Amino acid sequence: GAGVSQSPSNKVTEKGKDVELRCDPISGHTALYWYRQRLGQGLEFLIYFQGNSAPDKSGLPSDRFSAERTGESVSTLTIQRTQQEDSAVYLCASSPGGRGLNEKLFFGSGTQLSVL
Amino acid sequence: QQQVKQSPQSLIVQKGGISIINCAYENTAFDYFPWYQQFPGKGPALLIAIRPDVSEKKEGRFTISFNKSAKQFSLHIMDSQPGDSATYFCAASYGGATNKLIFGTGTLLAVQP
Repeated sequence: GAGVSQSPSNKVTEKGKDVELRCDPISGHTALYWYRQRLGQGLEFLIYFQGNSAPDKSGLPSDRFSAERTGESVSTLTIQRTQQEDSAVYLCASSPGGRGLNEKLFFGSGTQLSVL
Repeated sequence: QQQVKQSPQSLIVQKGGISIINCAYENTAFDYFPWYQQFPGKGPALLIAIRPDVSEKKEGRFTISFNKSAKQFSLHIMDSQPGDSATYFCAASYGGATNKLIFGTGTLLAVQP
């Protein structure tokens, strides 16, 4: 596709359930980011993948959150035992790559997660 | 604490007017300052960006003014149009191992026809 694709676009789950969010970056982009956007808030950095390097997980809010990326393609963000405060839009972004060299991020439309 | 403070939270401007959004940062190591534009239901998109070696950058109707000594930067939208109605986020980063953008809290701009 031409842009970053995220699925599902909306997810409603019950408290305590696990959820998995998917991101397909732009082809050829080696860097991939996950951000969280709570209602009325800015974007909160969660995790960063760059090629085969160890990911920067410094933004993950708790050990209930984890993410994986297969090579330089698809990434999944998993939230275990969801809580109501996890309700937010989860945004994925990709960039051509390079440590600090290509700062323009291309964002997907996000996954709206609602935890009841 | 690495923070980027953005104001105002919301802004209403008449068509043809000038929209001004301000941001302030704390970390002097930041060396890249982008503005992102977000329409409802969409992800943010890069609008314009500046580095601290210049005090101003202009692209069409959009201008960033940068004051390094005050650690402030602002977005000016000239001749604002209803199509500019969106949420605007300032951000900052310092590259390094992770291009981790630190975002402001956003400004909801409404341009009235």
